[in-house]
Parts: sequence; structure tokens; C-alpha cells
Amino acid sequence: QKEVEQDPGPLSVPEGAIVSLNCTYSNSAFQYFMWYRQYSRKGPELLMYTYSSGNKEDGRFTAQVDKSSKYISLFIRDSQPSDSATYLCAMSEGGGGNKLTFGTGTQLKVEL
Amino acid sequence: EAGVAQSPRYKIIEKRQSVAFWCNPISGHATLYWYQQILGQGPKLLIQFQNNGVVDDSQLPKDRFSAERLKGVDSTLKIQPAKLEDSAVYLCASSFGGSDQYFGPGTRLLVL
Repeated sequence: QKEVEQDPGPLSVPEGAIVSLNCTYSNSAFQYFMWYRQYSRKGPELLMYTYSSGNKEDGRFTAQVDKSSKYISLFIRDSQPSDSATYLCAMSEGGGGNKLTFGTGTQLKVEL
Repeated sequence: EAGVAQSPRYKIIEKRQSVAFWCNPISGHATLYWYQQILGQGPKLLIQFQNNGVVDDSQLPKDRFSAERLKGVDSTLKIQPAKLEDSAVYLCASSFGGSDQYFGPGTRLLVL
């Protein structure tokens, strides 16, 4: 069993839809949870960063962490074609430069 | 602020040849990471440096991979000899110390 599981997709939605992306994990020591966006032929860029359980909102993006279920989510409201990318969840046991463990990524396509 | 720079962007080599990748992190970032991202998978940490010391190289195939970070700034990752399964994107990332890792565009390696 992988430490972090993520549905690879691809996920195709119409413009304006609400997108839900999810990851599950098995390591209960994970404390820091991140979402990265990766455009084709580019490096990942940090989108959201949360510590422990709870919600965090930034514009059209909301990250949720449920440590009791070992489940994290990223919601994208009013999705745009420019949101088309691969979304990677990542997590670590500690901050301060701790090793990140990534999911496989979910490929998202937002269509006009 | 300039981002993480990597070169070359693409490299094609024959198996058993050697290859080297270069990374220049964001100025002032003490922590530097090398990741391997195989097609359809999330990045996997190969090695982490704190200044010019190695923090974690547990997943680096040391019989063929080597990395150095002289003077705590630029870093070089080498593969010698390369195998077919080394075909991947090699990503360099840097951080000031937290879990906010900033990635370069990557070097796409194809081993024939």
C-alpha cells in the first residue's frame, strides 16, 4: 500500500464547475499538507499549505484536512480553463524542510 | 525574485552513458532537494541538502547516482551509468527552511 493515494483521473469538467480533488494517506505522523499544481512540462508550484486538521481558503481554492479519516481535499470553485493541470497532494511529518511525500497527481481538464 | 534554475531542460542518452544535471536555487535558500518524477507518478525525493551537507539520501541509488552541493549554493546530480528506468523528469527544489518548496522547471531525461 502506498503512503499516499490519489486518483490519477483524468477528470474533465465544464467551465464554472466546482472541482473536488482528494487524497488518502496511511502515515498518521503526517502533520503538514500541501497541494501543488503542475502544468505540462513545468515544475510543481505550491497552491495551498495547511497544518493539521481544518479548512483553509484562498480565493477560489479551499483545502480541507481530516486527520481522523486520513483524508485531504482541494476544492476549486468557478473552475476556469486555466485551472487545467495536474494537481499533486503532498504531505510531511514536520515543517522546517522535512521530506515531502507526494501523491501520483490528478489530471484536471476544464472545458469551455 | 528569480526562481530555481535548472539545465539542461532536455537530455537524450544511450544506456550505460553518464549524464549530469545542474541546479541553481533561489538566492538565500539553504535547503535544496532533488526529486525524480517518473511519467504518471508524483515526485520522489532523491536527496536533500542543508547548505552543503546531506540531510537525507535514503532513496538515492548510490551505486549509480551521486550529488554534490559545493559552497552551499549550486548543485549537480550525476547518473553513471544510466539505465532505461532512469528516464524521468529530474526536479530541483529549494526552500528557506519551511515546507514551502519552490520547484524548478525540471530536466527531462530519456535513456535509450
